[in-house]
Parts: sequence; structure tokens; C-alpha cells
Amino acid sequence: GAVVSQHPSRVICKSGTSVKIECRSLDFQATTMFWYRQFPKQSLMLMATSNEGSKATYEQGVEKDKFLINHASLTLSTLTVTSAHPEDSSFYICSAPTLNTEAFFGQGTRLTVV
Amino acid sequence: GIQVEQSPPDLILQEGANSTLRCNFSDSVNNLQWFHQNPWGQLINLFYIPSGTKQNGRLSATTVATERYSLLYISSSQTTDSGVYFCAVVSTGANSKLTFGKGITLSVRP
Repeated sequence: GAVVSQHPSRVICKSGTSVKIECRSLDFQATTMFWYRQFPKQSLMLMATSNEGSKATYEQGVEKDKFLINHASLTLSTLTVTSAHPEDSSFYICSAPTLNTEAFFGQGTRLTVV
Repeated sequence: GIQVEQSPPDLILQEGANSTLRCNFSDSVNNLQWFHQNPWGQLINLFYIPSGTKQNGRLSATTVATERYSLLYISSSQTTDSGVYFCAVVSTGANSKLTFGKGITLSVRP
């Protein structure tokens, strides 16, 4: 299957700082990528849709100024958590659909804000 | 939006047993996928199955789109099958946006 690479796999940052997470499609082009958030023992919740060459679209209740998304190329989307606080600690995971809409996921990023 | 319900929420099996995991969805879909989330959080693609039946080793899946459900079968379960199984769908017109069920936590005991 297709490969999606996400980095870093885990990060610890101080409260008030910003953290950037990268999501790359390695063997296919993705005009659209998706960012999810998962709290312990819960399901994945879609945060936003990243669109190459245009603005991201955010799900209801997700602060776009806090979670900045950039889709600079057909293979790279980034999520920046700005002014992180302990409540932003979570597991963030990206996905990219192939042409037939089958989605492949990155390895995920475990963010801890201290 | 579309609703995805998975059952049972938790399942405990003895190694070697068979099991069936169910996914019901509330609207028509043009994509349905089953995933296994490993202990490190990675989602492993098991099946892309908007309709029909597929088999891969000890795992098989069937989706009956007209009746809005999908089943994942695990035969001769192994301890390495333990983890969380998610069903996720893309409703018709949802532009590849996956909606996940709450997951089924499977524990296979030796």
C-alpha cells in the first residue's frame, strides 16, 4: 500500500511554545490530507482538511489560529500547534487518501506539553 | 453527519478462537475501511471494502452496503491480534473525509 510518513513520533515541549508536525506522502501525490486528534482510549476525531494550494478547512470547534495547517506541496502537509498548553497534549495523526479514496495514515505524533 | 457504530465495544478471546466484529453505518458510503491500531498508535490498514467480501490470511471482511453494515472476521486468533479495531467510512459526497466508529478493543489471551 501507499506510505505516509509523519514526524516527529513524539515531542515534549514547554507550555507557550509552538510545535510543528510534518506529514509526507512518500510514493503518491496528495492534494488533500487530513489531521486527526485522538485522546486516550477514544476514537479519532477529524480536526481539519489540508488542501494543497488553498486554505485548510477546520471542523467545528477547532481553533484555526491555534492549529495552523500548511499544505505547501503535493506531498507535504504540516500542522503547527501554536502557544501549546497542557490541554493540547494528545496523539495527532495525519492521513492521505489515494485516488480510489483509500486512506493511509502516518505513524502519529504523541505531543506532551509540560 | 453519518453515524458509525461498532460492536461489541470490548471482546476477550482465548487464543485460537474465532470472532466477528460488526460495524453499522447510518447512510450510504463510497468507502469503508477496517484498521487495527497497534500499541504504538499506528493505524494498520486491514481492508478497503466499500462492498463485497475480501480475505487476507486469517482475516476476512464483508460489507453489505444496501443494509449498511460490515463485518470483520478473525479466525484462529493470536495474541498479536490484540488491540483496537476501527471501522471508518466516507459517506457519499463527503470528499474522502473518513468518519470513525468508537473502536472495538480486542484482547486475546494465551
